[in-house]
Amino acid sequence: EIMLTQSPATLSLSPGERATLSCRASQSVSSYLAWYQQKPGQAPRLLIYDASNRATGIPARFSGGGSGTDFTLTISSLEPEDFAVYYCQQRKSWPLTFGGGTKVEMK
Amino acid sequence: EVQLLESGGGLAQPGGSLRLSCEASGFTFSRYAMNWVRQAPGKGLEWVSGIAGGGSSTYYGDSVKGRFTISRDNSKNTVHLQMDSLSAEDTALYYCAKDVRFEARGAFDMWGQGTMVTVSS
Repeated sequence: EIMLTQSPATLSLSPGERATLSCRASQSVSSYLAWYQQKPGQAPRLLIYDASNRATGIPARFSGGGSGTDFTLTISSLEPEDFAVYYCQQRKSWPLTFGGGTKVEMK
Repeated sequence: EVQLLESGGGLAQPGGSLRLSCEASGFTFSRYAMNWVRQAPGKGLEWVSGIAGGGSSTYYGDSVKGRFTISRDNSKNTVHLQMDSLSAEDTALYYCAKDVRFEARGAFDMWGQGTMVTVSS
């Protein structure tokens, strides 16, 4: 099973600041990595798939990068609605796995 | 508009069974794999099971293998999760999620609102 480790666990930032979230895989997942956003009481929402492709309707301030074992999700300038929990997920091999999440909270 | 509506959650006894259903609308159901993802209270996401668009290929997480069975009825745009031998560790909100691929092993671009399963005596 491929383990995904997200860091930091919590990121305290202000609106307008840049957020950089990390996801590290226990073995290579090539570019088969997705990012999701989840707000309290809501289902997750797909942001990025295959490491760097924005899903339909996702604002350009969200970008993904990386390959192999190290990936980043960057939010270039935080909007109030971006404060949420973010999860990475690999689809390289079964079972599909998620990281433990990074909470982006308002400072 | 794409919609996924889960049902079938509730309270089950340890060792008991429940059957979850997810009714889909707004897209050509048979063209996409479907998945179940769960989230224990206050915890992160755990992929549970997936099924290819044609229904011939199924996949399971290690924690549910041998106890849960996923199936689909493309004539009714519905996917099911039969859960047997339930334990307290299965207590979670269960989400139905649409895959971006036919063959599964993709990302999940649409999610339902979830159905809660509680396993307790």
